Amino acid sequence: GDSVTQMEGPVTLSEEAFLTINCTYTATGYPSLFWYVQYPGEGLQLLLKATKADDKGSNKGFEATYRKETTSFHLEKGSVQVSDSAVYFCAPASGGSYIPTFGRGTSLIVHP
Amino acid sequence: NAGVTQTPKFQVLKTGQSMTLQCAQDMNHEYMSWYRQDPGMGLRLIHYSVGAGITDQGEVPNGYNVSRSTTEDFPLRLLSAAPSQTSVYFCASRTSTGDYSPLHFGNGTRLTVT
Repeated sequence: GDSVTQMEGPVTLSEEAFLTINCTYTATGYPSLFWYVQYPGEGLQLLLKATKADDKGSNKGFEATYRKETTSFHLEKGSVQVSDSAVYFCAPASGGSYIPTFGRGTSLIVHP
Repeated sequence: NAGVTQTPKFQVLKTGQSMTLQCAQDMNHEYMSWYRQDPGMGLRLIHYSVGAGITDQGEVPNGYNVSRSTTEDFPLRLLSAAPSQTSVYFCASRTSTGDYSPLHFGNGTRLTVT
C-alpha cells in the first residue's frame, strides 16, 4: 500500500520566517497528492492538492509542487503567521478508490 | 451549512461497555469513512463505505463495526470497549470514489476508555 514520510516536528518559527515541511511518498501508479491542516480542537481540512506531475497546488500563501521524479510534495510558505500554527498532514491517494494515506503530521508553532 | 457532524464530542467509557459514535453528512456524499488519531501515529483508517449498503475494512478494523443504511449516516460501533481504543475519532466524507475530491472531516469525538 501507499506510505508517507513527513519531517518530524514540532517545527518552531518566528513570524514572517520561511517554512518548508518535507513530504515523500510511495504509491502505486500516479497518486493525487494532498496537504491537510488541522487547527487545535478541529478536524482536518484541505489546504491544497495536486493531481498530476509538475502541478503546483496553492492556497493561503502555501504552495507544494508534485515532483514525480523524487516522489515528493514539499509544503512551503514564504512568510508564516501566528495563525498558521497547526498540524499539517501530507496524504497521497491512489488506487481505484483513491483512499488517502496520511502521514504522521508535522506540528508547526509560530511565535510572534 | 452543517457539513459533517459528529456526536458526541467527548465520551468516557468503562472497559467492556458498548457505544455508537454518530456521523452524519448533508452533502449527499457517496463515500464516508472513519479514522482514529493517536499521538505519533497520524490518522489510521478504520472502516469506509462507498455507498449505502456497502462497507469495507480499513487498516485497523478490529473491535469496530459499521453499517450504512442511508447516504447521510455512517455510525461506528464499539461492541466491547478496551483501553487501546482510547483515541480521537474522525468521520470524513467526499463526493465519490475514483476521483480527486478532498475529504471533508467532522470535528472529532474524543473517547477515553478506563
